[in-house]
Amino acid sequence: QVQLQQWGAGLLKPSETLSLTCAVYGGSFSDFYWSWIRQPPGKGLEWIGEITHSGSTNYNPSLKSRVTISEDTSKNQFSLKLNSVTAADTALYYCRITDWYPATPENFDYWGQGTQVTVSS
Amino acid sequence: FVLTQPPSVSVAPGKTARITCGGNNIGTKSVHWYQQKPGQAPVLVLYYDSDRPSGIPERFSGSNSGNTATLTISRVEAGDEADYYCQVWDSSSDHRVFGGGTKLTVL
Repeated sequence: QVQLQQWGAGLLKPSETLSLTCAVYGGSFSDFYWSWIRQPPGKGLEWIGEITHSGSTNYNPSLKSRVTISEDTSKNQFSLKLNSVTAADTALYYCRITDWYPATPENFDYWGQGTQVTVSS
Repeated sequence: FVLTQPPSVSVAPGKTARITCGGNNIGTKSVHWYQQKPGQAPVLVLYYDSDRPSGIPERFSGSNSGNTATLTISRVEAGDEADYYCQVWDSSSDHRVFGGGTKLTVL
């Protein structure tokens, strides 16, 4: 059974760096895209960025200057760092792994449980 | 790339709900749709415009042409009440974009 377990600091002060990690259990996902998505309280989804198994990254242009997504394939983990946070970065952060070219309509999209991050002085 | 969804759609049980996602020439892109219920992570309900992941009822279907993609839910049930989001890949800047979301209310 595939599980994504995510963790990281939930309370930050302005200007600090947000750091979250997502561990993937239950299989090998070398063909998957590993991504981070966030959702501010009461608002919609915002795509942050993604990384492939080869290490190639894509980022939301509005966050690109502050975001780094990295992976540790040996541990089946990937991480998000967002620096210089402000109150506007307060959100529920999800990790996700997706095979965007699935051979079958099964078992190709998995989400973490979400981590609430609050930025407050 | 901006995706525009109506903030809300209301439908009676057993009727058909249509949720639109507007974007410039969105018909040339592949659209993915998500359902999110309160307190839960989103669930992919359609991918590549109209394909359904395993476990998604056939009542969920999709189309995409011109400047509008549409998620259609037939024979709506109370359990379909949720927020729905569309998403595309913006090749001009290599990133994925979500629409603002539509709250589906089952009357």
